[in-house]
Amino acid sequence: QSALTQPASVSGSPGQSITISCTGTSSDVGSYNLVSWYQQHPGKAPKLMIYEVSKRPSGVSNRFSGSKSGNTASLTISGLQAEDEADYYCCSYAGSGYVFGTGTKVTVL
Amino acid sequence: QVQLQESGPGLVKPSQTLSLTCTVSGGSISSGSYYWSWIRQPAGKGLEWIGRIYTSGSTNYNPSLKSRVTISVDTSKNQFSLKLSSVTAADTAVYYCARWGLQSADVWGKGTTVTVSS
Repeated sequence: QSALTQPASVSGSPGQSITISCTGTSSDVGSYNLVSWYQQHPGKAPKLMIYEVSKRPSGVSNRFSGSKSGNTASLTISGLQAEDEADYYCCSYAGSGYVFGTGTKVTVL
Repeated sequence: QVQLQESGPGLVKPSQTLSLTCTVSGGSISSGSYYWSWIRQPAGKGLEWIGRIYTSGSTNYNPSLKSRVTISVDTSKNQFSLKLSSVTAADTAVYYCARWGLQSADVWGKGTTVTVSS
């Protein structure tokens, strides 16, 4: 079970849209629609933002959306806001357990 | 509203066993179709899934840690626990417990820092 690959950093200006990729394999992302995304601010526990590829938990802004194509999942943040500056992690079911992504630091310019 | 709280020693000596407990409040650990998980994060690094347990006792572990990990549940105390044996400095991390619902970790504890050092 190798960590899913994410870009180390992504940045954007307020109001812009950004997309974070999460690349796995046919044994994890490619085989299951069980990708989730987490937001983590410094010193805080992660927060669930997207589950089952594209579903949003109650209370999560509709500016956050998820998708998947083949072995790559993506998280898009539209209308970027200062409060979106954080680390983001993807996670996928991998058969008998789960694997997280390497993490992406989102910077709001 | 379900809340989780990790507890246990903050310092563990190399080669010893790390033991942590997660107490669930605001709901029964036995209600609903949830798994209960442990996840860790070394300082400045990413998240690592350790394993999970269902209230029936069924478990799944990260293959890279499987030989050293045991997760158990005590429904009478509304708690579940993590034991990681033969620890080294590489096991130093913030350890989180989480409820695994919606096929994802939908409720997290605040995390507890464990340092492995003599």
